Amino acid sequence: AQSVTQLGSHVSVSEGALVLLRCNYSSSVPPYLFWYVQYPNQGLQLLLKYTSAATLVKGINGFEAEFKKSETSFHLTKPSAHMSDAAEYFCAVSSPSGGYQKVTFGIGTKLQVIP
Amino acid sequence: DAGVTQSPTHLIKTRGQQVTLRCSPKSGHDTVSWYQQALGQGPQFIFQYYEEEERQRGNFPDRFSGHQFPNYSSELNVNALLLGDSALYLCASSQDRGPFNYGYTFGSGTRLTVV
Repeated sequence: AQSVTQLGSHVSVSEGALVLLRCNYSSSVPPYLFWYVQYPNQGLQLLLKYTSAATLVKGINGFEAEFKKSETSFHLTKPSAHMSDAAEYFCAVSSPSGGYQKVTFGIGTKLQVIP
Repeated sequence: DAGVTQSPTHLIKTRGQQVTLRCSPKSGHDTVSWYQQALGQGPQFIFQYYEEEERQRGNFPDRFSGHQFPNYSSELNVNALLLGDSALYLCASSQDRGPFNYGYTFGSGTRLTVV
């Protein structure tokens, strides 16, 4: 079984401040991990992914995430928030299940950026 | 290069009716997965199609069915609609790589409202 826990359904930061969105996962096998972003009335867009290579992963729009096996975490960070970063962010875990890929999403964290 | 195309974008149906949603995957992708995203929730996996067969299924009743065509496009059918079926339905395409998912490309979704 696999699961994803996103701590904090809403996060508010000031423009220019550090963004930190938390994600912890549970998986019985080494997982692949993802962060997606969803803007209002749109689908999800892949921000970045960890696929068992480098543990520090860089994505689009200046975001990065670090895979920490000992903490079962994959937190998303960005040094300086922009107004355009306001959106909902989803962490997802993927691992083999019955020979096929199984992808599970967290409930999402809504990021508010305050001017 | 066109991404994932979903139609229609919005739909209003009455309880007990049936609905069909359509999805064209990204060029080069052969696997289509359908997700239901209720308001304020993360995407929930409905099922996945590959080579015109349902390969995996989430915890959804048989009222939810699907189909994949030889050109990889897909349909999601929901019978006997309930108020609780109101949600954003997302189509996600990917390239099959066995037990590993390297990330989805999502469509913008179909917003279904059941009244």
